[in-house]
Amino acid sequence: DQQVKQNSPSLSVQEGRISILNCDYTNSMFDYFLWYKKYPAEGPTFLISISSIKDKNEDGRFTVFLNKSAKHLSLHIVPSQPGDSAVYFCAASGSNDYKLSFGAGTTVTVRA
Amino acid sequence: NAGVTQTPKFQVLKTGQSMTLQCAQDMNHEYMSWYRQDPGMGLRLIHYSVGAGITDQGEVPNGYNVSRSTTEDFPLRLLSAAPSQTSVYFCASRVVVGNQPQHFGDGTRLSIL
Repeated sequence: DQQVKQNSPSLSVQEGRISILNCDYTNSMFDYFLWYKKYPAEGPTFLISISSIKDKNEDGRFTVFLNKSAKHLSLHIVPSQPGDSAVYFCAASGSNDYKLSFGAGTTVTVRA
Repeated sequence: NAGVTQTPKFQVLKTGQSMTLQCAQDMNHEYMSWYRQDPGMGLRLIHYSVGAGITDQGEVPNGYNVSRSTTEDFPLRLLSAAPSQTSVYFCASRVVVGNQPQHFGDGTRLSIL
């Protein structure tokens, strides 16, 4: 049973517009959430994270929002650039637990 | 900056053959882990280790063995390869203090015929 779900397999967005990626989780013990970006033939690269004591974390063009009551987080990319075309994975872990549970990923395509 | 290094990058095996996927990190990370990535399923944890001499099973451990004799190395062994083990395998590492991300290698693409 997948504890982290990314229900949109793909997203297409025009360059310069906002990309919004969504992620839902079922395990209430999760308290640390991460987004990874993956290019073909490369390993996942850490993008941004958020702990459960916050509801927003921002890093340049990337912002992650956490809604604990809804068990939902989202990643906003503003503005989207061609180099953002990649697969994005949502991941989560619990307190004192190093193991990560991953979503299935969302493939983002940024159109020129 | 080597980070996490995985070898080989590609491998084709016949059913029943054995092989070892190598993983090494030069960041002195205590925690190391192995994942497999299959289409539509994200990354699933196979085995992990919180330090030399300590290993434990993840979500999908069957058919795989690991050992951790040094901090740097965490090899993954397939004792008798099966077609269901065709996948892309990723190794990752992190420090064990606080909330920190895992750092991934570039993967090994394994095909079992």
